[in-house]
Amino acid sequence: SQQGEEDPQALSIQEGENATMNCSYKTSINNLQWYRQNSGRGLVHLILIRSNEREKHSGRLRVTLDTSKKSSSLLITASRAADTASYFCATDAGVGNTGFQKLVFGTGTRLLVSP
Amino acid sequence: EAQVTQNPRYLITVTGKKLTVTCSQNMNHEYMSWYRQDPGLGLRQIYYSMNVEVTDKGDVPEGYKVSRKEKRNFPLILESPSPNQTSLYFCASRRRPGQPSDFRGYTFGSGTRLTVV
Repeated sequence: SQQGEEDPQALSIQEGENATMNCSYKTSINNLQWYRQNSGRGLVHLILIRSNEREKHSGRLRVTLDTSKKSSSLLITASRAADTASYFCATDAGVGNTGFQKLVFGTGTRLLVSP
Repeated sequence: EAQVTQNPRYLITVTGKKLTVTCSQNMNHEYMSWYRQDPGLGLRQIYYSMNVEVTDKGDVPEGYKVSRKEKRNFPLILESPSPNQTSLYFCASRRRPGQPSDFRGYTFGSGTRLTVV
């Protein structure tokens, strides 16, 4: 079952502009993570925000989390052509009472940054 | 270098011919997982393992098997591949849940692109 839905599906901007991607999810979570994927390559972890946090920064990345709305946003400031990639949110949640945790991905946002 | 290694990177096979995609991690991670990625569907979990000899089904386990005999290895087995298993496959690992203070996210392999004809 898909936990996260991302918006927009695709985003095209110019270098220097900011890019904002949104993610919505369905159930309670332990944390939410954002990953980047260059075309057909593996996923690279960008940033993690825990369920008791509201905002987090890492370099040019800013992530917000609103657990009441079950949504998160990723902001990339001063974008560069090298930021062109697909970006996925993923929610980390417990599986029943098993103690297991499961990472469930959204469908991703394709970002194109033009020089 | 800490990493998850998948092999092969690319594989073309015929329907019904058993194959194994290997996954190995060098970080002593307890948790490992397999995903498949398809256009428009994102990444879907196939199987996961919380530790040696502990595995469980993800969201799309049909047609796949896994084993976890050693901590570092988590192979994905397709006993009788079919064309609908043509996909991009990723293996991932992380430290055991319950260590949130130092959790830095999952580590993914570079992917295996499988084509079943």
